[in-house]
This record gives sequence, structure tokens and C-alpha cells, in this order.
Amino acid sequence: DGGITQSPKYLFRKEGQNVTLSCEQNLNHDAMYWYRQDPGQGLRLIYYSQIVNDFQKGDIAEGYSVSREKKESFPLTVTSAQKNPTAFYLCASSTGPNTDTQYFGPGTRLTVL
Amino acid sequence: GENVEQHPSTLSVQEGDSAVIKCTYSDSASNYFPWYKQELGKRPQLIIDIRSNVGEKKDQRIAVTLNKTAKHFSLHITETQPEDSAVYFCAASRGAYGNKLVFGAGTILRVKS
Repeated sequence: DGGITQSPKYLFRKEGQNVTLSCEQNLNHDAMYWYRQDPGQGLRLIYYSQIVNDFQKGDIAEGYSVSREKKESFPLTVTSAQKNPTAFYLCASSTGPNTDTQYFGPGTRLTVL
Repeated sequence: GENVEQHPSTLSVQEGDSAVIKCTYSDSASNYFPWYKQELGKRPQLIIDIRSNVGEKKDQRIAVTLNKTAKHFSLHITETQPEDSAVYFCAASRGAYGNKLVFGAGTILRVKS
């Protein structure tokens, strides 16, 4: 999991602004995921991508967008349509769609001011 | 879709005692069950996982048991130590193409010395 990086570690956003969270991995993993974590709750899946140039909505995709132009990168944009974006965002990757083990990045804590 | 329930939400034990966390799942097609440990402000780290063709798996002080008939699985930590204090999450997945992990809400484990 040391091969997954997220930036920035902390991010502050004003209401009405879009922000993009970075996720990069050098593990040669095919699949990548974005989760949202709120205090006292588990991880909820926002989007996932099993292969380059393809991605699917998770359970809470509204107000978010992603792209997967490169195998190593899976950026997440939090749009102004996301009504309650303050949360801890975690990116993960796994070697492929038939391999279950997911490894997490260090996370980005987003706060809306 | 899959639903994972985790109990208890908080657990306090004395150092040296055992701790048990239980999860139930709803999708009988789920066949992969990982457990993650998350320290405050850090990324979740995989500590042990089990697949449906196995009933029990051990790794030093940690063990996981699976009852597919009853659709529940449990994490057992023996000889607890203060460094075991963290939030523990269970998850379930079908393990097939799609590979979405569904997480429980987490258990805060406090080991008192």
C-alpha cells in the first residue's frame, strides 16, 4: 500500500467550488476505487474503475466525477453539486477485477468552509 | 445489494484479554471477507481475510471464522495489547468481476492497560 499516494493531505474548499483530489499508484494495479468516510461510519464507495478509460458509479456517486485516462491515475472531482462534501476521502487499488484485496492510500481530508 | 452489519460499535477490553467482533452479511453470493484496521487519521490496513472455501484462518494473535450457512464471520484477537486499539472494519465481496467491497460501520476497540 505504500505504492498508493493521495494529494493533498488536507484540502479546504469554499462552497460552490469544484475541487480535484489526486490518487496515483505505481503498483501496476488494474482496478482503482474511491471511498468516502464520515465520522463513526464505514467506507462508502463513490466510483470505481476496473480498467483504463472505464469506470462505474458506486453507491454515492451523485456530486462526484472521475476519469481514468492512465492506469496509474484516478482523480476524483468533488463538484458544487455535492451538498455535504466534508469528509475523509480514501483511494484504493487492487490487481484486477478478479482479485479482491484492496490496498488504500493515506487519504485526503476535505473541509468545506 | 449486499448489506454488512457489524457489532459491537465499541468494545473495551483489558490488556491480555480477548476481543471478538462479529459481522453478518446478506448476499449469499459473497465469498471474500477481509478485515481492516484503521488507526486515527490513517489509512485502513488489511490485517486478515478469508474466502468462502475456508472456515477459519489464523495469523499469530488474529483469527477469523466464517459460517456461510448463517452468513456471519468474526474477528478474534487474543492477548490484546494497547497497540491493538483502533477501529476495525469488516467487509464482504462477491469476488467476481465488479469486485465491490461493502463495509460494516466499524468497531472502536480500546485496550486498557
